[in-house]
Amino acid sequence: TQLLEQSPQFLSIQEGENLTVYCNSSSVFSSLQWYRQEPGEGPVLLVTVVTGGEVKKLKRLTFQFGDARKDSSLHITAAQPGDTGLYLCAGPQGAQKLVFGQGTRLTINP
Amino acid sequence: DARVTQTPRDKVTEMGQEVTMRCQPILGHNTVFWYRQTMKQGLELLAYFRNRAPLDDSGMPKDRFSAEMPDATLATLKIQPSEPRDSAVYFCASGLGTIGTLYEQYFGPGTRLTVT
Repeated sequence: TQLLEQSPQFLSIQEGENLTVYCNSSSVFSSLQWYRQEPGEGPVLLVTVVTGGEVKKLKRLTFQFGDARKDSSLHITAAQPGDTGLYLCAGPQGAQKLVFGQGTRLTINP
Repeated sequence: DARVTQTPRDKVTEMGQEVTMRCQPILGHNTVFWYRQTMKQGLELLAYFRNRAPLDDSGMPKDRFSAEMPDATLATLKIQPSEPRDSAVYFCASGLGTIGTLYEQYFGPGTRLTVT
């Protein structure tokens, strides 16, 4: 079973600061996804990265897939309270299933 | 705006009772997933279906859990008998894909189950 480890587990910062969260594995993944989950809701897909070294930007969020396709990072610039939530990375396991990391619980304080 | 719907949103029940959770996938999606989320274990896959056929239920305790898709618009997850350790949020997700593709999964809002 391929495992995804996310760090940090919890992160609380002030509005306007920058932050980076990580998703690491000892296994190679063909692609990785990032989801955000808000309290009382299900996870929502943010992005899929498929090529080693790929960088994708979504407004103030920058996603990077490691060259070796074993890790990924999410960088948020000028964090806002609306960025608060649980950030999950996920990768394919076998042909059709996803395995999820434990998540990083992010709190942005006004 | 197509969404996955789940009912009930919250369920409190006593140990030993039967619990049935329902999910309506997005119309046209051919794959349905059931997940369980707890603080300790995170998001765990219980079972999934493609074109209404069960493909994998290895994540599900077989003695008390069952999952079915009686038709393309309804998936059910049943626990009988329920136990306090089953307390968790149960998510349904649907997606469209074929073997070898990475699914974009669309999650419902979840059913928060509390077994006392």
